[in-house]
Amino acid sequence: DAGVTQSPTHLIKTRGQQVTLRCSPKSGHDTVSWYQQALGQGPQFIFQYYEEEERQRGNFPDRFSGHQFPNYSSELNVNALLLGDSALYLCASTGAPKNYGYTFGSGTRLTVV
Amino acid sequence: SQQGEEDPQALSIQEGENATMNCSYKTSINNLQWYRQNSGRGLVHLILIRSNEREKHSGRLRVTLDTSKKSSSLLITASRAADTASYFCATDNYGQNFVFGPGTRLSVLP
Repeated sequence: DAGVTQSPTHLIKTRGQQVTLRCSPKSGHDTVSWYQQALGQGPQFIFQYYEEEERQRGNFPDRFSGHQFPNYSSELNVNALLLGDSALYLCASTGAPKNYGYTFGSGTRLTVV
Repeated sequence: SQQGEEDPQALSIQEGENATMNCSYKTSINNLQWYRQNSGRGLVHLILIRSNEREKHSGRLRVTLDTSKKSSSLLITASRAADTASYFCATDNYGQNFVFGPGTRLSVLP
């Protein structure tokens, strides 16, 4: 049974560019959350998607946007990249009941130069 | 702002010793979870303890929760080199997103 799959694993972008990261949740999971983890820090919540809608959002600017598809997969888009956007981006999925914890993907390492 | 704060930030022990990490949080929670992360990779869910539980065990892991003190501890017994990782607590604030602390970096020396 596949867990959470994220692509790509590594990415290098230039400042000002746009990037799209992808996530396929664990089979049976319908809720996807995205986290940003800077080096040496804990994951910071970006937003959560359920039933193709953004249900919750953390303290991130509008440059960060997302989407969830009918098959529950999700994308994270970041526009006008800044050097400070360099981080590990983690996707996590959960199903019902929601209090069983998240299953995380291995993340996408984004480097902005 | 982060809800959970792990303590200590870093911990170095010898193989076979026990490792204890603590987590403090600020608001009421539905449950608290501990995760492990190896070398900047994905997080692995270790254990979940609900707000009405006081202690939970899973293999070599023991988690306690004291809601009056808004704190939790993770004990890893008989540590192994493979336990070397960062450990994070995350709080579920009644349907809100899980909030992670900055983590404890555990080094288990052979």
